[in-house]
Amino acid sequence: EVQLVQSGAEMKKPGESLRISCKGSGYSFTSYWISWVRQMPGKGLEWMGRIDTTDSYSNYSPSFQGHVTISVDKSISTAYLQWRSLKASDTAMYYCARGDVVRGVGGMGVWGQGTTVTVSS
Amino acid sequence: DFVMTQSPDSLAASLGERATINCKSSQTVLYMSNNKNYLAWYQQKPGQPPRLLISWASTRESGVPDRFSGSGSGTDFTLTISSLQAEDVAVYYCQQYYTTPWTFGQGTKVEIK
Repeated sequence: EVQLVQSGAEMKKPGESLRISCKGSGYSFTSYWISWVRQMPGKGLEWMGRIDTTDSYSNYSPSFQGHVTISVDKSISTAYLQWRSLKASDTAMYYCARGDVVRGVGGMGVWGQGTTVTVSS
Repeated sequence: DFVMTQSPDSLAASLGERATINCKSSQTVLYMSNNKNYLAWYQQKPGQPPRLLISWASTRESGVPDRFSGSGSGTDFTLTISSLQAEDVAVYYCQQYYTTPWTFGQGTKVEIK
């Protein structure tokens, strides 16, 4: 079964760092880009950025550039989303998602279950 | 950035009725070299991740009921649910993947009247 399994919920304080993960299985991990999508409480979907799982090339939405880092460890089929200094406004559900087209762009047909991040003092 | 605008923000229809959601892009998402529209539709039910329903504006994903259909080209697109079922209650999003940053519409909430 093709799936993306994300790490568990996190509760952090402002200024703390965090890395959440997304492990792919059931398919050739390096054949597809991985994206990260944010959903703030009660709000819509926001694309944060994506990473080429073969060479770790990444690109970001300007809204998130410089505040988060997307990385990958292809040896363990895992992508990461990382913050160096969290803000309360980072409180949200974060999803990883895989494109449907091998080595190309397309709709995102496989989604992780989501990771809830809560940032509060 | 591409701005995706959906209408309406919400709709309520009776079981078995047709439901139509519109999505307008601020720029074309039609790639002339391959004549493909880089537009997807997603369904999100409460407490669940989004589910891809349609890609390339009109290609239904495997397992998606045929009451869901997508149409349109260029900047104007439509998702149609031909006969609304109780399990279709959800928020629906359009998304362009023509260029980064990929962008979503604000979502349309579909309810049963």
